[in-house]
Amino acid sequence: QVQLQESGPGLVKPSETLSLTCTVSGGSISSYYWSWIRQSPGKGLEWIGYIYYSGSTNYSPSLKTRVTISLGTSKNQFSLSLSSVTAADTAVYYCARHSQRTGDFDYWGQGTLVTVSS
Amino acid sequence: DIQMTQSPSSVSASVGDRVTITCRASQGIRGWLAWYQQKPGKAPKLLIYSASSLQSGVPSRFSGSASGTDFTLTISSLQPEDFATYYCQQAHSFPLTFGPGTKVDVK
Repeated sequence: QVQLQESGPGLVKPSETLSLTCTVSGGSISSYYWSWIRQSPGKGLEWIGYIYYSGSTNYSPSLKTRVTISLGTSKNQFSLSLSSVTAADTAVYYCARHSQRTGDFDYWGQGTLVTVSS
Repeated sequence: DIQMTQSPSSVSASVGDRVTITCRASQGIRGWLAWYQQKPGKAPKLLIYSASSLQSGVPSRFSGSASGTDFTLTISSLQPEDFATYYCQQAHSFPLTFGPGTKVDVK
């Protein structure tokens, strides 16, 4: 059974960079697409972007200038970096496995709340 | 971007009721639609993919259908564990987008 777990700071100061890591267990990161999705009360569920195991990426245009998704130093990890954060970036951040064949998200992490505040 | 709308935004129902939720895409997405269930404090759970295919392990009381740009999620006989918020998601083109959600609560 594939499991995903987000980790990282729960509090980030305005203008700084939010950094999260997703650790995948119970399966290989190879041959799949891996996405970051966030959920805030004001904007609902928002897809941030994905990375393929080869390293290719695709980002939401609304966040593209501030987002980087990369493969982790560990074989079964990938990471999210969001720069110049504001209070509007406060949300629960999820990592999820993205099926390229059907376009849905079939496995999700439990989510981690990131609050942007000084 | 493709905009997704859902109706109703909330529905009150009783155990055993048939519940229908509609999702509409702002442009054609063919069958590239998924439905998710989310309970408070939990991640969304995939129920239906490709508009009408049931995800493994999901009870058969859940079903999905499509007609043009309108998509429907039906719960044939609502069970206590089905009280939750339901979201649709288009998988036709990037950026991937979700509907605003429909909350199913107790009547």
